[in-house]
Amino acid sequence: SQTIHQWPATLVQPVGSPLSLECTVEGTSNPNLYWYRQAAGRGLQLLFYSVGIGQISSEVPQNLSASRPQDRQFILSSKKLLLSDSGFYLCAWGGRVSNQPQHFGDGTRLSIL
Amino acid sequence: GDSVTQMEGPVTLSEEAFLTINCTYTATGYPSLFWYVQYPGEGLQLLLKATKADDKGSNKGFEATYRKETTSFHLEKGSVQVSDSAVYFCALSDRRSGGSNYKLTFGKGTLLTVNP
Repeated sequence: SQTIHQWPATLVQPVGSPLSLECTVEGTSNPNLYWYRQAAGRGLQLLFYSVGIGQISSEVPQNLSASRPQDRQFILSSKKLLLSDSGFYLCAWGGRVSNQPQHFGDGTRLSIL
Repeated sequence: GDSVTQMEGPVTLSEEAFLTINCTYTATGYPSLFWYVQYPGEGLQLLLKATKADDKGSNKGFEATYRKETTSFHLEKGSVQVSDSAVYFCALSDRRSGGSNYKLTFGKGTLLTVNP
């Protein structure tokens, strides 16, 4: 069966520090991969998605970047964190058939001090 | 563009009460529809799905029927439990031609609290 792992689960970082969040998927090949942010409240914002190695699409201009160095690895990064980067970050994978859902990791709670 | 509108709540019910969370959508294609549940501090879990008109998705006592004529996918449960307390998200995936990426459009989520 397929599994998705995100780490770390929680992270406290000072303003201006770098960031690297990692997500890996097991049990499937060539998945679509997604990074979401869930700010205070409940809404989900799609940040990046990837349909293949090295292929990254950005949904919103911001302080963050994403990379996909391997088929089942998706990394969210920042060179200098802002206070507004605080939130709950979720990685998800989806298949390439339209009626398949996306499957989410357990998320990373990021707090910027 | 695509959009999903769901009642934002919060919804507070007593145990064994009947639950309805309304969800309506707009889409240019032929969407698949999903309900996700998020328990406190966790990621989203797929609760149920429906891929075409009149399909009924069901899981853990929850049901939702894909109504194309009213563009709705309301979530229902006949008797809620305290353990059902969570945030519920309605979402759609538009089956557009071309490409292999199917982005989800989410509603804003509905917080459900069930009291004993």
